[in-house]
Amino acid sequence: DAGVIQSPRHEVTEMGQEVTLRCKPISGHDYLFWYRQTMMRGLELLIYFNNNVPIDDSGMPEDRFSAKMPNASFSTLKIQPSEPRDSAVYFCASSPGTPKNEQFFGPGTRLTVL
Amino acid sequence: AQSVTQPDIHITVSEGASLELRCNYSYGATPYLFWYVQSPGQGLQLLLKYFSGDTLVQGIKGFEAEFKRSQSSFNLRKPSVHWSDAAEYFCAVGDPILTGGGNKLTFGTGTQLKVEL
Repeated sequence: DAGVIQSPRHEVTEMGQEVTLRCKPISGHDYLFWYRQTMMRGLELLIYFNNNVPIDDSGMPEDRFSAKMPNASFSTLKIQPSEPRDSAVYFCASSPGTPKNEQFFGPGTRLTVL
Repeated sequence: AQSVTQPDIHITVSEGASLELRCNYSYGATPYLFWYVQSPGQGLQLLLKYFSGDTLVQGIKGFEAEFKRSQSSFNLRKPSVHWSDAAEYFCAVGDPILTGGGNKLTFGTGTQLKVEL
């Protein structure tokens, strides 16, 4: 298995632009998680899905952030409009979903908003 | 809600020396406990996990961790550190009775390990 796939690996954009991050979970995993990692705040859970349905989006910072999972093999995290404080590494993780299962992380997308 | 504290932001050890990274959690019962490692530019990788039973668990890369209920701790140890162990280490707790199921984790802030040759 190729593991969790994220694209792009690096994204540089200007303030005000729309940014879309993509994630392909491991086949057969029914939970998908989006995290943001910064030096100041560490690793934060933004949102997670079960069987393509959002379960908990309490970590989404504000309305500029949205996430979708149109099918079991694809999810997007969109920021519109982007701001410099959104600069971070965004991770996607997937899991078979029972509490004893580990989460498998993708390599992350490093976002820089100028 | 559960929480995780990793009191050491940075730790430096010499290659070949022993290592202990601290993790304390707050939870009403025994949570599920995990240690992950993150190498530079990489995602997180699971080192080991604890659910119940034997309080000393073995993981990959020669790591082990001990669950101590009385201290609400789950410290990570390695008898002899290798230069390749330099990375950031995260402790995480999961809720065995999470409403809605799934395995949402709460992560600590991480400990950056530097290994001196």
